[in-house]
Amino acid sequence: QKEVEQNSGPLSVPEGAIASLNCTYSDRVSQSFFWYRQYSGKSPELIMSIYSNGDKEDGRFTAQLNKASQYVSLLIRDSQPSDSATYLCAVNIDGTASKLTFGTGTRLQVTL
Amino acid sequence: SAVISQKPSRDICQRGTSLTIQCQVDSQVTMMFWYRQQPGQSLTLIATANQGSEATYESGFVIDKFPISRPNLTFSTLTVSNMSPEDSSIYLCSAGGERYEQYFGPGTRLTVT
Repeated sequence: QKEVEQNSGPLSVPEGAIASLNCTYSDRVSQSFFWYRQYSGKSPELIMSIYSNGDKEDGRFTAQLNKASQYVSLLIRDSQPSDSATYLCAVNIDGTASKLTFGTGTRLQVTL
Repeated sequence: SAVISQKPSRDICQRGTSLTIQCQVDSQVTMMFWYRQQPGQSLTLIATANQGSEATYESGFVIDKFPISRPNLTFSTLTVSNMSPEDSSIYLCSAGGERYEQYFGPGTRLTVT
C-alpha cells in the first residue's frame, strides 16, 4: 500500500473555477503536511503547510486537514492558467518529523 | 525560506564515470536531503545529510554508489559513482526548515550514455 496517495489526473478546471486536489496518507501519527507545486522542468516549490486539523488559508490557496480520516486537500480558488502544474502532497511518515514522503502528484490543467 | 543553488545544472556523462553534485544553501540548516526524480515520477529520497555525521541512506541506496559529504551547515555534495544509464535522472537537494518543511534547489539533470 502506498504511503501517500494522490490521483494522478490530469484534473482539468476552467479559468476562475475552484480546483480541489486530494491526498490520503497511511501513517496515523503523521504530524506535518505540505503541498508543493512543480512546473514542468522545474523543482518543487512549497506553497502550503498545515499541522493541525481544519483549514488554513493563504491567498487563493486553502489547505484542509482531517487527521481522523487521514486526508489532506488543497483548494485553489479563482484558478488561473498559471496554476497549471503538478501538485505534490508530502507527509512525514514513520514518526520521523524531518523526513517527508511524497505522493506521485496530481497534474492540474486550467483551461481558458 | 532558504535559497538553494546546485551545480551543475545538467551534465552528460559516460557510463563508468562519477559525477559530484554540489548544493549550497544561503543560511545554516541542520538537515539537508538528496532526492532523485525520474521523468514523470515523484521524488524518491536517497539520503539525509547531517553535518558532522554519516549520511542516513534509504532502502535501495548505498554509500558506495552515492557517497555524500556534509562539511558544514550550508553545503553538501552527492556523488553518483560508476554510473550506468539507469542513473539518468534529476537529482535534487533540499534544506530542512524550522517546522519540517523543505526547500528545494533547482536540480541537476543527469544523462548517462
